[in-house]
Amino acid sequence: DADVTQTPRNRITKTGKRIMLECSQTKGHDRMYWYRQDPGLGLQLIYYSFDVKDINKGEISDGYSVSRQAQAKFSLSLESAIPNQTALYFCATSKGGGAQETQYFGPGTRLLVL
Amino acid sequence: DQQVKQNSPSLSVQEGRISILNCDYTNSMFDYFLWYKKYPAEGPTFLISISSIKDKNEDGRFTVFLNKSAKHLSLHIVPSQPGDSAVYFCAATVGGSNYKLTFGKGTLLTVNP
Repeated sequence: DADVTQTPRNRITKTGKRIMLECSQTKGHDRMYWYRQDPGLGLQLIYYSFDVKDINKGEISDGYSVSRQAQAKFSLSLESAIPNQTALYFCATSKGGGAQETQYFGPGTRLLVL
Repeated sequence: DQQVKQNSPSLSVQEGRISILNCDYTNSMFDYFLWYKKYPAEGPTFLISISSIKDKNEDGRFTVFLNKSAKHLSLHIVPSQPGDSAVYFCAATVGGSNYKLTFGKGTLLTVNP
């Protein structure tokens, strides 16, 4: 079984709709992250969380919100989706506590906003 | 301003030969560098990393070289195999704020049989 899972894997929605993307991990990691990737570009950090009570904005948080329901779960919401939020979304985790850490990624959610 | 640059969008090599993927960075505070490999419809997979206190790190067929004075790193794959065909991302971070990975745009490697 995958260590980091994302649901749904694909989603089509309409402008103005609220949508939630979910991420679960079985790695026992404290830190979780949400990234988006646009075609031909690298990954950009949306939000990150170092533990259940900690939420922080990343580079491109406008239009997004997150919820850390448990150590293993981190969800990303688009309150009112717009077409330029069409992208590939990745969740990632890392162990925490180290000076130099590796982040481990889920398989991604492909979102299309019409 | 792009702090991590992968200037070659694509690279094609023959099976068995060496693949060299390059990455340049501008932020002198970066002290930890990672390479990720990404297949279509999958998330990025960690491949290899290097700390700024080293200039080389090897893991099997994969070697990463770091030239701090030139702010340049490279990933060498020897010998290249068709299964290595993927997009390779270079990423960098600053120790102490290691939550924030800064990614390059990626290089598509194609290894031809």
